[in-house]
Amino acid sequence: AQSVAQPEDQVNVAEGNPLTVKCTYSVSGNPYLFWYVQYPNRGLQFLLKYITGDNLVKGSYGFEAEFNKSQTSFHLKKPSALVSDSALYFCAARRPSGGSYIPTFGRGTSLIVHP
Amino acid sequence: DVKVTQSSRYLVKRTGEKVFLECVQDMDHENMFWYRQDPGLGLRLIYFSYDVKMKEKGDIPEGYSVSREKKERFSLILESASTNQTSMYLCASSLSRGLGNQPQHFGDGTRLSIL
Repeated sequence: AQSVAQPEDQVNVAEGNPLTVKCTYSVSGNPYLFWYVQYPNRGLQFLLKYITGDNLVKGSYGFEAEFNKSQTSFHLKKPSALVSDSALYFCAARRPSGGSYIPTFGRGTSLIVHP
Repeated sequence: DVKVTQSSRYLVKRTGEKVFLECVQDMDHENMFWYRQDPGLGLRLIYFSYDVKMKEKGDIPEGYSVSREKKERFSLILESASTNQTSMYLCASSLSRGLGNQPQHFGDGTRLSIL
């Protein structure tokens, strides 16, 4: 079965410290992977994606993600967290559906950055 | 920038009513999606559409239907609203049916309460 797992419901980090939000996947074929962020009372915003190529992907707002094929992981990282990074983060992977590809999402991880 | 607009931010309806949620995108995207978001469950796909008058069931289609008469508009219909359909509903669009490597663009959501 195609699935995406975010093993942590919540991640707490102090401002200025590095952050990691974890994601593992189980999909057939080439894994197209995405990270999105959701601020309160808003829709999801695209952060970055991995299609092929470099295992380290850079995205918006200083975020990056590391693709690891052997561990089937795609962890989101940022070298120095900001209080404004506090939000809900979703990992997603594509899965086939008929002649289309549609995303499947993890359950989300709440990131809390403390001043 | 792509804009996905959902007609209502907040909506309160009664059990048994027929409810329409409207979504419009302005970038000529082929794909449109309806999700519901519930705490602890992440995003669950209700229906999606890859072309006018085309629709595909997602993971939780029961109790819902959709309509796509024009490319830019995708409507979600609750045929007879029930209290367990109280949720946040998110609409999204993406460029093409193709390889699934395009990110989704989300509206800000409709928080629907069924009394």
